[in-house]
Amino acid sequence: EVQLVESGGALVQPGRSLRLSCTASGFTFGDFPMSWFRQAPGKGLEWIGFIRSEAYGGTIQHAASVKGRFTISRDDSKSIAYLQMNSLKAEDTAVYFCARGDVVGVSCRFDYWGQGTLVTVSP
Amino acid sequence: DIQLTQSPSFLSASVGDRVTITCRASQGISSYLAWYQQKPGKVPKLLIYAASTLQSGVPSRFSGSGSGTEFSLTISSLQPEDLATYYCQQINTFLPLTFGGGTKVEIK
Repeated sequence: EVQLVESGGALVQPGRSLRLSCTASGFTFGDFPMSWFRQAPGKGLEWIGFIRSEAYGGTIQHAASVKGRFTISRDDSKSIAYLQMNSLKAEDTAVYFCARGDVVGVSCRFDYWGQGTLVTVSP
Repeated sequence: DIQLTQSPSFLSASVGDRVTITCRASQGISSYLAWYQQKPGKVPKLLIYAASTLQSGVPSRFSGSGSGTEFSLTISSLQPEDLATYYCQQINTFLPLTFGGGTKVEIK
């Protein structure tokens, strides 16, 4: 059974850093791209970033809204995807989800999602 | 960046109704579009990808169509369990994987 479990969410002060983890099981983690998303309270879904599998170069893309502050990475030996968040702002307050991608050509559908971890940025 | 505009943002319909949600892209995205369902307090669930391909296990009352800049998600016969917010997403990995703003579906 595919499982994704996010961890690391916390209450943090503005300007601080936080690293989220997404621990995967039930599939060969290294074969799949991964992505991070977030959802602010009462708001819609926002894509944060995407990391391809090593077979596709392990390349990374970030949304413009977080570029330069957030970084996605992966450790295939541990089946974990990470989201490093620096210089956090109040508007980064959200539930953060990781999701497994399934690539077909240049497209990628996100077929499995974790339950999310809450990040609250407040003084 | 590509913008996805969903309409309506809210709809209320009765059980058994045919419901259609539209997603318009600010530029052509071929068929690189997915639809997700998010029930209250739950995680998003993939319904459709490649604009019209039903994800395994999704009821056949859900269907998707369109290409280029105009897409739609149709629920052929609305069921009580379809109460949710529906999102479209651009899924070409060489572009930002943008979501539409969402459509909240209420059951009358």
